[in-house]
Amino acid sequence: AQKVTQAQTEISVVEKEDVTLDCVYETRDTTYYLFWYKQPPSGELVFLIRRNSFDEQNEISGRYSWNFQKSTSSFNFTITASQVVDSAVYFCALSENNNAGNMLTFGGGTRLMVKP
Amino acid sequence: EAGVAQSPRYKIIEKRQSVAFWCNPISGHATLYWYQQILGQGPKLLIQFQNNGVVDDSQLPKDRFSAERLKGVDSTLKIQPAKLEDSAVYLCASSLDRRRGAVGETQYFGPGTRLLVL
Repeated sequence: AQKVTQAQTEISVVEKEDVTLDCVYETRDTTYYLFWYKQPPSGELVFLIRRNSFDEQNEISGRYSWNFQKSTSSFNFTITASQVVDSAVYFCALSENNNAGNMLTFGGGTRLMVKP
Repeated sequence: EAGVAQSPRYKIIEKRQSVAFWCNPISGHATLYWYQQILGQGPKLLIQFQNNGVVDDSQLPKDRFSAERLKGVDSTLKIQPAKLEDSAVYLCASSLDRRRGAVGETQYFGPGTRLLVL
C-alpha cells in the first residue's frame, strides 16, 4: 500500500529565511506521480507541482524548488527567502496505479508559519 | 477559467440530521473526487467518479454516505444521519482525464465545505 510521511508537523521561520519541507513516500509501483499542494487558511488546496517517477530532475519555480531522490524515496520542497504569504499547510501526495483510478494519498501536512 | 465550485461553504447541524453538499467541477473535466479532511490530517478520498460512473468508492461509509453525479457534470454528496465524527472539511476536486484508471492527472480542488456536527 502507498504511504506518504511528512515528519515535520509544524515549522516556524522568520521572513527571508530558507525552509525545507520533507516528504518521504512508499510505493511498490515503478510508475507513480508525486505532488505538492498548498492549503492557506481559506482552506482551498492549491496545486504547486507534479512530478513523475521517471523524471528525477530537480525543478525551480521562482522562490520554490523541489528535490526528487528516488534512492531515498524523498520529494522535498524548499522555499527560498520565505515571505509571510507563504504561511500555510503544505501537503505532499502520491498517485500510483492501483487499478481503481487516480487516487491521491496525502501526507499529514506540514504547517509553515513565517513571522515578519 | 472558473475553478471547482462548492456550496455551502459552512454548515452546522445536529447529530442524526442529514446534510448535502454540492460540487461543480472545472468545465470539461471528466473525473470528480470527494475527499474528507479531518482537522489536522491530510485529505482522504471518499469517492471518485469518471463521467457519471463510480470508479472507486471503497472508502465511502455507505451506511450513511451517498454520492451521485447523474449527468456527468456536477455532483452531490449526502450524509444521513450525521455523526459527531463526520465533522470535517469536505473537498471536491476534478481532473481532466477521460480514460478510466488514468494515473497522475493533476487534481484541482474547490474551497471545501466545513461541516460541524453538534
